Amino acid sequence: AQTVTQSQPEMSVQEAETVTLSCTYDTSENNYYLFWYKQPPSRQMILVIRQEAYKQQNATENRFSVNFQKAAKSFSLKISDSQLGDTAMYFCAFISLSGGSNYKLTFGKGTLLTVNP
Amino acid sequence: DTAVSQTPKYLVTQMGNDKSIKCEQNLGHDTMYWYKQDSKKFLKIMFSYNNKELIINETVPNRFSPKSPDKAHLNLHINSLELGDSAVYFCASSHANTEAFFGQGTRLTVV
Repeated sequence: AQTVTQSQPEMSVQEAETVTLSCTYDTSENNYYLFWYKQPPSRQMILVIRQEAYKQQNATENRFSVNFQKAAKSFSLKISDSQLGDTAMYFCAFISLSGGSNYKLTFGKGTLLTVNP
Repeated sequence: DTAVSQTPKYLVTQMGNDKSIKCEQNLGHDTMYWYKQDSKKFLKIMFSYNNKELIINETVPNRFSPKSPDKAHLNLHINSLELGDSAVYFCASSHANTEAFFGQGTRLTVV
């Protein structure tokens, strides 16, 4: 079974600064996707970024980028130029591409990020 | 147009009642899910359907019964509601092994 661990329950950052959220995962599989989702106070789950395990290049979406270390099973999210609207709970998630377990996302417990003015 | 919509957004009901949450997606996805988010914000899969077929039932009490009349709809019916069922329930959809798109959630409060 896959597990996803986010070791930082809460973090804070000053507006315009950079922050990195950590995520590690455990799997015996070779083919999978990793995601970061954002959940603001509105409760909506919003996809931030996606990384395919077979790609060595780290994914980037505007101010959001990841550091994907497959051998270390690490998948951190870097937010540059933090904005007040980035305040949210951030979830790391894993989905396998193999067998019957590819029909569910496994989530970490989340990191609550607060951006301070 | 809302991609994944679920109704109602809020549901307050008494213990022992039966209630349903409806979900519809207009993304043409073949897979739909129900997730439960508890008071500590932990998200856990409950059910997964692929092409209307139940794929995953993650040890959910049989008081919870999903129904998928077609690929665009996945409803959740809950019998004999208990206090511990209070949570936020999310519907989501995807192409099987890619990112899921979530509805806005239904906050269920059992009193």
